[in-house]
Amino acid sequence: EAQVTQNPRYLITVTGKKLTVTCSQNMNHEYMSWYRQDPGLGLRQIYYSMNVEVTDKGDVPEGYKVSRKEKRNFPLILESPSPNQTSLYFCASSQYSNQPQHFGDGTRLSIL
Amino acid sequence: GEDVEQSLFLSVREGDSSVINCTYTDSSSTYLYWYKQEPGAGLQLLTYIFSNMDMKQDQRLTVLLNKKDKHLSLRIADTQTGDSAIYFCAERGSGGYNKLIFGAGTRLAVHP
Repeated sequence: EAQVTQNPRYLITVTGKKLTVTCSQNMNHEYMSWYRQDPGLGLRQIYYSMNVEVTDKGDVPEGYKVSRKEKRNFPLILESPSPNQTSLYFCASSQYSNQPQHFGDGTRLSIL
Repeated sequence: GEDVEQSLFLSVREGDSSVINCTYTDSSSTYLYWYKQEPGAGLQLLTYIFSNMDMKQDQRLTVLLNKKDKHLSLRIADTQTGDSAIYFCAERGSGGYNKLIFGAGTRLAVHP
């Protein structure tokens, strides 16, 4: 089954403790993105990747890092999480930039 | 800049038609999308329309695009309780990369 898988689905942690949210897709897609969803704001892009070792900033990249060492995986790294990064995070992938994106089920992060 | 706006709430009676409206600002948008988000779930692509189309129909869903007014609508015929969800309008951002600009989402409530 074609899917985008995120882990964990839920995480409560404390300020400053590094965390990684994993994202994996099994569709051999070139493009992958991370978004955060906040009430009243919709989804905003954090980072995206066009292929292995090719990443770039989206609209809200501050406080986040990503890597794309393999085509299927696109982890989101919070080196020093802060409470304003409490949000619902989505990973997405598509074969080409103009193709519809497939979304994972989301990761709800709470930073205390 | 790029912006997508939609009303936040819509309440309809079961069996009636629902119409969710969206306006966008980027006239160079090539694709416009409708995503559905059910509670606790990720975003499910409902349908999308290419900018050179005026209308697209897919079973109970009808998408209308008025490019002159930069207005997009999603009509759901014979709305059911299972259609209760948040509906996001999104446009593909300008530039060659993989960014979607989302509206804040319209919460559709279907009542008996």
